[in-house]
Amino acid sequence: DSGVTQTPKHLITATGQRVTLRCSPRSGDLSVYWYQQSLDQGLQFLIQYYNGEERAKGNILERFSAQQFPDLHSELNLSSLELGDSALYFCASSVAGQAGGYTFGSGTRLTVV
Amino acid sequence: DAKTTQPPSMDCAEGRAANLPCNHSTISGNEYVYWYRQIHSQGPQYIIHGLKNNETNEMASLIITEDRKSSTLILPHATLRDTAVYYCIVRAYSGNTPLVFGKGTRLSVIA
Repeated sequence: DSGVTQTPKHLITATGQRVTLRCSPRSGDLSVYWYQQSLDQGLQFLIQYYNGEERAKGNILERFSAQQFPDLHSELNLSSLELGDSALYFCASSVAGQAGGYTFGSGTRLTVV
Repeated sequence: DAKTTQPPSMDCAEGRAANLPCNHSTISGNEYVYWYRQIHSQGPQYIIHGLKNNETNEMASLIITEDRKSSTLILPHATLRDTAVYYCIVRAYSGNTPLVFGKGTRLSVIA
């Protein structure tokens, strides 16, 4: 157990639908990062939050949005889902301001049918 | 832009040292070298990082050349459970700089 909790572990949904992925960071970590990993794209950085504020944005589609709540958990919302959104979605957390590494969760596997 | 270059795949015999190279010829003075690995479809796992000195922890050693243009991750006694994709990443010391993963090296440890 890495200390980063992601729910659900698996999600199957239909095209056009909307889903929410949840991440609870490791205790004490203020930064949360979201990554998408599909078979042909590798690990792609989506977005970073630090203590409730957006800090960096990567290749995140407009159909996707995220937020970090006062208790530091984060949610990634994916809407108007397409077949190509099927992927593993990872959340990671870190103590911002230090050069240390990220701690990743075990991911949510999203399948869009 | 790709900041690091790694071989796509390597094999290593079980019990032997695995030496994974990484080229980062454009590394800046404030950038660290990070190594992560991903076993099958699990979440990536932090291994080690360094700035310019060699580093060692319970998992691995990191050797950075004096000019900092390349580094080597060493797994001293590879086991079958070390079979994974290993990512070498350079990243500035900043809370706003996310880790950007490349394609990594697929290490296969063979019995």
